[in-house]
Amino acid sequence: EAGVAQSPRYKIIEKRQSVAFWCNPISGHATLYWYQQILGQGPKLLIQFQNNGVVDDSQLPKDRFSAERLKGVDSTLKIQPAKLEDSAVYLCASSPPAGQGPSGELFFGEGSRLTVL
Amino acid sequence: EDQVTQSPEALRLQEGESSSLNCSYTVSGLRGLFWYRQDPGKGPEFLFTLYSAGEEKEKERLKATLTKKESFLHITAPKPEDSATYLCAVRSTNTGNQFYFGTGTSLTVIP
Repeated sequence: EAGVAQSPRYKIIEKRQSVAFWCNPISGHATLYWYQQILGQGPKLLIQFQNNGVVDDSQLPKDRFSAERLKGVDSTLKIQPAKLEDSAVYLCASSPPAGQGPSGELFFGEGSRLTVL
Repeated sequence: EDQVTQSPEALRLQEGESSSLNCSYTVSGLRGLFWYRQDPGKGPEFLFTLYSAGEEKEKERLKATLTKKESFLHITAPKPEDSATYLCAVRSTNTGNQFYFGTGTSLTVIP
């Protein structure tokens, strides 16, 4: 079974530039999450999708971050304009429908590491 | 406000030296406590879900336990390949669908 795919793996940009990250979840997983993990910290939820609808985006800095999940499959997370404090690993995760597998089992991609100079 | 605190921040063990990692939590209405393993440069990998005090789960050299205030991840006779960061997360009536992660314990097992 293919895992969660993310790209790019690494990105270096100047502050005030824009960047986009792409995620393809595991086939059949309706729920998709974007997390931000700053070095030395645990992952922090940015946004959660159920199919192509937003379930929770309460911690997404909406003045600069946006995310979409067209057709309920792939998702894109965009940052515009980037700030120095956005340097982090952006993790995408997906989860199977309720009743399939243990509750709380999120499947994470390898992440996209962003460095803002 | 929900809080999750993991200790120690870092732990070095000799191969075969058993120990425990701690996850203390303060939440309103626990809906699950979760353990994940994260290798450098990788995303977290699911290990266990615990729902109620007294519950235990085991997988190879790892055993997770839960009380009303904390969870322990016991590592028995660790091997170098157990070296990783271990993350604890909770879901509560406050967090709704969100998983609230701790900052993790970095484990190094020396051969």
